[in-house]
Amino acid sequence: DTAVSQTPKYLVTQMGNDKSIKCEQNLGHDTMYWYKQDSKKFLKIMFSYNNKELIINETVPNRFSPKSPDKAHLNLHINSLELGDSAVYFCASSQVFGGSSYNSPLHFGNGTRLTVT
Amino acid sequence: DQQVKQNSPSLSVQEGRISILNCDYTNSMFDYFLWYKKYPAEGPTFLISISSIKDKNEDGRFTVFLNKSAKHLSLHIVPSQPGDSAVYFCAASSGDMRFGAGTRLTVKP
Repeated sequence: DTAVSQTPKYLVTQMGNDKSIKCEQNLGHDTMYWYKQDSKKFLKIMFSYNNKELIINETVPNRFSPKSPDKAHLNLHINSLELGDSAVYFCASSQVFGGSSYNSPLHFGNGTRLTVT
Repeated sequence: DQQVKQNSPSLSVQEGRISILNCDYTNSMFDYFLWYKKYPAEGPTFLISISSIKDKNEDGRFTVFLNKSAKHLSLHIVPSQPGDSAVYFCAASSGDMRFGAGTRLTVKP
């Protein structure tokens, strides 16, 4: 039973298109996140959502917008895709914000590899 | 602004020997540190953590050491097994979590 699932696993699209990546968690966690793993392999946080409220919005372009219909889902919408958006995007969740608790580490999905051509 | 650094992109050890993965951080406000393990085509999975009030935490073959004065932590795996071959990410948190770039560990049979 997958705890954090994201779809699609692979996404190939052209510049200028709009796309969405979906994420669902069945852990009952209160906080969900989107991370981007760039070409240098760093995992960088993009957004955090706690009970449908945005907590962190790092310096990401406003072409990226998180949408949370309920606390089990956090989808990522990307408008006007650019070549530099190519990366692996990971969804994650935790019971405590930041995962900075012994009993509440981050649980990650398996990632979505986005390729913009 | 990389606040968490893993300076060794890769490490290779023989099965049965000790693996030592290192991590340095710059933000003295971090109060919780974690190690994640990642296999190809999967997301990172939580391995072990340590609070800033401790200097050592052990879980089976895995031990994490924290040296706050040096802003350094390390993960020891002993004995190493081929199934430990993966990318290991160091992470630190003071509210939001920051990750290093990872170290690819290869354990040779």
